[in-house]
Amino acid sequence: AQKVTQAQTEISVVEKEDVTLDCVYETRDTTYYLFWYKQPPSGELVFLIRRNSFDEQNEISGRYSWNFQKSTSSFNFTITASQVVDSAVYFCALFNTDKLIFGTGTRLQVFP
Amino acid sequence: DGGITQSPKYLFRKEGQNVTLSCEQNLNHDAMYWYRQDPGQGLRLIYYSQIVNDFQKGDIAEGYSVSREKKESFPLTVTSAQKNPTAFYLCASSIRTGFHEQYFGPGTRLTVT
Repeated sequence: AQKVTQAQTEISVVEKEDVTLDCVYETRDTTYYLFWYKQPPSGELVFLIRRNSFDEQNEISGRYSWNFQKSTSSFNFTITASQVVDSAVYFCALFNTDKLIFGTGTRLQVFP
Repeated sequence: DGGITQSPKYLFRKEGQNVTLSCEQNLNHDAMYWYRQDPGQGLRLIYYSQIVNDFQKGDIAEGYSVSREKKESFPLTVTSAQKNPTAFYLCASSIRTGFHEQYFGPGTRLTVT
């Protein structure tokens, strides 16, 4: 069965703190793709990153970084020096066969 | 500006009425999708379309219908057969189906009373 688990329902931090959002996935396939999306209060989902199962290199983009570990089936997302504008719901998703499977999301609140 | 538009942002209907949600894209994408989002849940796929005049059911298609007569447009009808239609509906598109990133519209919040 294909599944994405985001165990953290809600996280609150104070501005400038680092925060890591966890994502654990299940799939039997050897080829798959993992995604992170951000959903700000306005509602639309914004694409952040896609990673294929053959590329385990960590990625950094500004204050964002992603840690992909096949051994633990995890694809965690870290925001360094968080800002109020980072407040949103973040979704991890797995592409498998023909559709995206989303986790239930983690709501991040960054307080000034 | 290229993107996806959904209208209206908020929609209110009485129980027993069909309602159609609009989705338009000018990204020249072949694939389009409809998702439903309920509080505290992830997105669930209702229908998707790989190309004009073609569409497939997703995980929760019962009580919904779609059409894809034009590449740019993928309207979703929520019928009276949908038992629990109140939700946030998101439309998305991608260059093709598959592992390509999907781009989302701003969503329509439907309330049925």
